[in-house]
Amino acid sequence: TQLLEQSPQFLSIQEGENLTVYCNSSSVFSSLQWYRQEPGEGPVLLVTVVTGGEVKKLKRLTFQFGDARKDSSLHITAAQTGDTGLYLCAGVMGGANNLFFGTGTRLTVIP
Amino acid sequence: GAGVSQSPSNKVTEKGKDVELRCDPISGHTALYWYRQSLGQGLEFLIYFQGNSAPDKSGLPSDRFSAERTGGSVSTLTIQRTQQEDSAVYLCASSLFRSSGYLSTDTQYFGPGTRLTVL
Repeated sequence: TQLLEQSPQFLSIQEGENLTVYCNSSSVFSSLQWYRQEPGEGPVLLVTVVTGGEVKKLKRLTFQFGDARKDSSLHITAAQTGDTGLYLCAGVMGGANNLFFGTGTRLTVIP
Repeated sequence: GAGVSQSPSNKVTEKGKDVELRCDPISGHTALYWYRQSLGQGLEFLIYFQGNSAPDKSGLPSDRFSAERTGGSVSTLTIQRTQQEDSAVYLCASSLFRSSGYLSTDTQYFGPGTRLTVL
């Protein structure tokens, strides 16, 4: 059983479109991270959100942490082909030594 | 600087054989993690090392799995009597330190992984 569920699992969109990926849980996390993973490589950290309700922007990417610290979203504006990859959310729980990863969203941006 | 490296990049083995996977963390990183990524699944935590503390083995799926970290640097993950369900990408990550307290925001740097296929 996954603590963090991501939706959608797969997403294929045209270049220039906007999209939102969701990361949901019934558990509370002390912080939440978003990663992007490309084929043959390990995940690379994009952002960490710590405070409930926090919004962080990274160029065309906007990350939000839910008020109750149980969910998060990633919004991409005007997607580019370079955004193609596997997006993973990962939560940190107080007292745990590891990250709890979501199920992943595989994004394909078509030129 | 050099990132986390893992070897081999690919390993094909027969059911029942033992395998060893190696991880070289970033120099100076005291924390080291092993994760497993199966097809269509997210990353599953396996084991965590921090400095000289006893490792957190809570994620190891069975006693066929073990890991060592020698000299606080290189780590080896060993899978004995491999089974087909062990087929996955095994990822290693390291971080500078493990923050204490509630707000842990350490950045984990991942290696490229070892793809294990058990026939």
